[in-house]
Amino acid sequence: AQSVTQLDSHVSVSEGTPVLLRCNYSSSYSPSLFWYVQHPNKGLQLLLKYTSAATLVKGINGFEAEFKKSETSFHLTKPSAHMSDAAEYFCVVSDHRAGANNLFFGTGTRLTVIP
Amino acid sequence: DAGVIQSPRHEVTEMGQEVTLRCKPISGHDYLFWYRQTMMRGLELLIYFNNNVPIDDSGMPEDRFSAKMPNASFSTLKIQPSEPRDSAVYFCASSWLASSYNEQFFGPGTRLTVL
Repeated sequence: AQSVTQLDSHVSVSEGTPVLLRCNYSSSYSPSLFWYVQHPNKGLQLLLKYTSAATLVKGINGFEAEFKKSETSFHLTKPSAHMSDAAEYFCVVSDHRAGANNLFFGTGTRLTVIP
Repeated sequence: DAGVIQSPRHEVTEMGQEVTLRCKPISGHDYLFWYRQTMMRGLELLIYFNNNVPIDDSGMPEDRFSAKMPNASFSTLKIQPSEPRDSAVYFCASSWLASSYNEQFFGPGTRLTVL
């Protein structure tokens, strides 16, 4: 079965400092992994995705994530936080069972950026 | 492309009333998903369709909820009768099987308040 665990429900960083949002996954198959971002009162937007190509994935707005199979992790990072990064971030794993096409969402990490 | 379109964006109704939420997926997508998001339970998958056929409705909370997809460009989620605990943000998302491993595109959501 597929699942994701987001280790922190809330992360707070100062503007200009690095961001690290942690995610561990469980999958019986070679997984596809995603990070989605949700700004206040908005829908979910895809930040980046891993689909078994390069293990270091670059996304929008300077975010990147590294797939580490040995650690079953897919942590999201950004070198320097910006005020506009304040949002909820969801780590997601894809269901690869035959005929299925749904996603399993983590519980989310709320990122606060302090001026 | 206009993206996934949902209507209404906000709905306020009284307990016992029927509520109908609408979704227009991205043209060419053959999967459509309905999600519910609350503070307590996070993001929950309610039901999803493939080629207008419901594939998995195990997330539908009870018989008061029903969803239909009469054609490839339109879906509805109906709650009859509505209750205050149905208050949530309801998201529609679409994808296509040939996409990069199940990436889903989300609409802006409908914020439902049941008084």
